[in-house]
Amino acid sequence: DVKVTQSSRYLVKRTGEKVFLECVQDMDHENMFWYRQDPGLGLRLIYFSYDVKMKEKGDIPEGYSVSREKKERFSLILESASTNQTSMYLCASRRAMSPLEQYFGPGTRLTVT
Amino acid sequence: DQQVKQNSPSLSVQEGRISILNCDYTNSMFDYFLWYKKYPAEGPTFLISISSIKDKNEDGRFTVFLNKSAKHLSLHIVPSQPGDSAVYFCAASDIRNSGNTPLVFGKGTRLSVIA
Repeated sequence: DVKVTQSSRYLVKRTGEKVFLECVQDMDHENMFWYRQDPGLGLRLIYFSYDVKMKEKGDIPEGYSVSREKKERFSLILESASTNQTSMYLCASRRAMSPLEQYFGPGTRLTVT
Repeated sequence: DQQVKQNSPSLSVQEGRISILNCDYTNSMFDYFLWYKKYPAEGPTFLISISSIKDKNEDGRFTVFLNKSAKHLSLHIVPSQPGDSAVYFCAASDIRNSGNTPLVFGKGTRLSVIA
């Protein structure tokens, strides 16, 4: 079974703090993704990486950065957390070629106060 | 501009009846479609998929229908059970460019199955 793990299930941070969200997958997948989920807005893609040290902006990259130094690990960084970044953050991974199913981690509920 | 649309934010169905969740897409290059299910405080899980060479795919109580001419797909759940209560996301991809292209997700439909 594919396993995608995220470093924290719940996180509370203060405005202005630097926040690191870690994601690890154990299936040697090439592609990894970071999404945020907000009520009424669905899943919005923040960044994705199709290989080690590669990164691409998604639909809402502002205020975020990412790092992928190893194939299994994809980190999301909030440089200076703001209250509008309070959200559920979801990491996903998949193989580069078919099948196209993305496998998601359990999510991190981040609250910025 | 939304390429994948789920126009019903919510749906309520009685236990034992059929649930039909709908999804429309605008990009004619999409040729592979997936449905995901998400419970609160959990990540989405893959449910079922369909390639554009088919018009129907079945897996137990779940069937996905694809109407390419209408650019429409639907997920049927029969019979519906209370454990099916979740948010369902439709997603699409262009297989020919899929290698480094993320899935495109709809905004989701919240299904409530009432006992």
